[in-house]
Amino acid sequence: GAGVSQTPSNKVTEKGKYVELRCDPISGHTALYWYRQSLGQGPEFLIYFQGTGAADDSGLPNDRFFAVRPEGSVSTLKIQRTERGDSAVYLCASSLTGTSKFFGPGTRLTVL
Amino acid sequence: AQSVTQLGSHVSVSEGALVLLRCNYSSSVPPYLFWYVQYPNQGLQLLLKYTTGATLVKGINGFEAEFKKSETSFHLTKPSAHMSDAAEYFCAVSESGANSKLTFGKGITLSVRP
Repeated sequence: GAGVSQTPSNKVTEKGKYVELRCDPISGHTALYWYRQSLGQGPEFLIYFQGTGAADDSGLPNDRFFAVRPEGSVSTLKIQRTERGDSAVYLCASSLTGTSKFFGPGTRLTVL
Repeated sequence: AQSVTQLGSHVSVSEGALVLLRCNYSSSVPPYLFWYVQYPNQGLQLLLKYTTGATLVKGINGFEAEFKKSETSFHLTKPSAHMSDAAEYFCAVSESGANSKLTFGKGITLSVRP
């Protein structure tokens, strides 16, 4: 596709469950970012990949959150033992070089 | 550490009126500055960015912003609002250099009255 895609668009889960959120970046983009946007707030940085490796994971809130990008393209954000406070829109962005980041539409996660 | 302040959560203007959305930043290093727009149920779209050089930057849809280092500001303006400008606007800052993470403000919702 032409842009960043994220699946699913919506995810409803129960407290304590495990979820995976997928991001397909723009083809050829080497950098990939995950952000979390809570209601009424701006996006908050979670993790940044350069190729297959996590170059900066300082935004991950705790060890329940983990992300991978095994082949340097698609990335999966994994959340274990979900809590109600994890409810948010999870945004993915990619970039080739330089400063322009292209965002996907997000995955709305609701933890009941 | 970097931070962005967008005062107020909502701005309402009449169609054809000037749009002014304020953004102030804090950064210990020379910043890169950005404005993003988010339409309902869509992803963030880059409106414009300042990296180096000319401090007045022009973006898409007739928007522009001016980097004022002395005021640590990067306010977004548009001379004449259009109904289609109604959306949420986010100011963001990053450290200089490629692929630096963005720090966003809380965002401002712009409404345009007919």
